[in-house]
Amino acid sequence: AQTVTQSQPEMSVQEAETVTLSCTYDTSESDYYLFWYKQPPSRQMILVIRQEAYKQQNATENRFSVNFQKAAKSFSLKISDSQLGDAAMYFCITGNQFYFGTGTSLTVIP
Amino acid sequence: GAVVSQHPSWVICKSGTSVKIECRSLDFQATTMFWYRQFPKQSLMLMATSNEGSKATYEQGVEKDKFLINHASLTLSTLTVTSAHPEDSSFYICSARDSERGGRETDTQYFGPGTRLTVL
Repeated sequence: AQTVTQSQPEMSVQEAETVTLSCTYDTSESDYYLFWYKQPPSRQMILVIRQEAYKQQNATENRFSVNFQKAAKSFSLKISDSQLGDAAMYFCITGNQFYFGTGTSLTVIP
Repeated sequence: GAVVSQHPSWVICKSGTSVKIECRSLDFQATTMFWYRQFPKQSLMLMATSNEGSKATYEQGVEKDKFLINHASLTLSTLTVTSAHPEDSSFYICSARDSERGGRETDTQYFGPGTRLTVL
C-alpha cells in the first residue's frame, strides 16, 4: 500500500513571503511521479508542479519549487513571493493511482 | 489544452431516484478516467478507475451496483448513482489522463470542476 502524509493541516503566510509545505510518502514503486495540486474555494483541482522520481533535479515552476529527497521519501513544496491567489488546499499526490495526502490548507495574509 | 468538463455542476434529486454525471475530456483522448468523491474539508477518495471499452475497476468498499460507470468513448465517462440516498450526497470529481502523451500510468491527471450532488 502507498501512503502520503501531509503533517501540516493548516499553514499561513504573509503576502510576499515564502512558505514550505511538507509531504512524506511511502511507495514500493521504483519509477513514479509526484505531484502537488491545489484546490481553491472553487474546488477545481489545479496542477501546481510535478516531479519525476528518476530525475534528481528539483522541479521548478515560476514561484513554485520542490525539494525532492528520494531516499527520505520527502517531497516538499516551496511557494515564494506568496500571493493572495495562492490561498487554497494543497494536496501532495504520488503513485500510479494518485494516492492523495490529507491536504494542507494555506491562508495568505494581506 | 487538457480541459475536462463535468455535467451537471450541481444536482438535487429525491431519495430513490438515479442521477447521471458526465465527464468529458474536451481537447484530448482519455482511455483512462477516474472518479473521486470528496466530503467537506476532506481529501479526495478514489472510487473507481474507468477504462474505455471495458469494465471499471472499483476500489474496495465502493458498491459497483450503486455507482455504475460507463466509459463508452475516448472522451466520455459517466457515473450513475442508482437509487440515491441522502448519504450519497457529496462532491464528485472526475479526472482523465491524456492517452496521446505516451500513456505512462503515472502521468498527469486533469480534473473536472466537480459535481455537487444533494439527495433529499
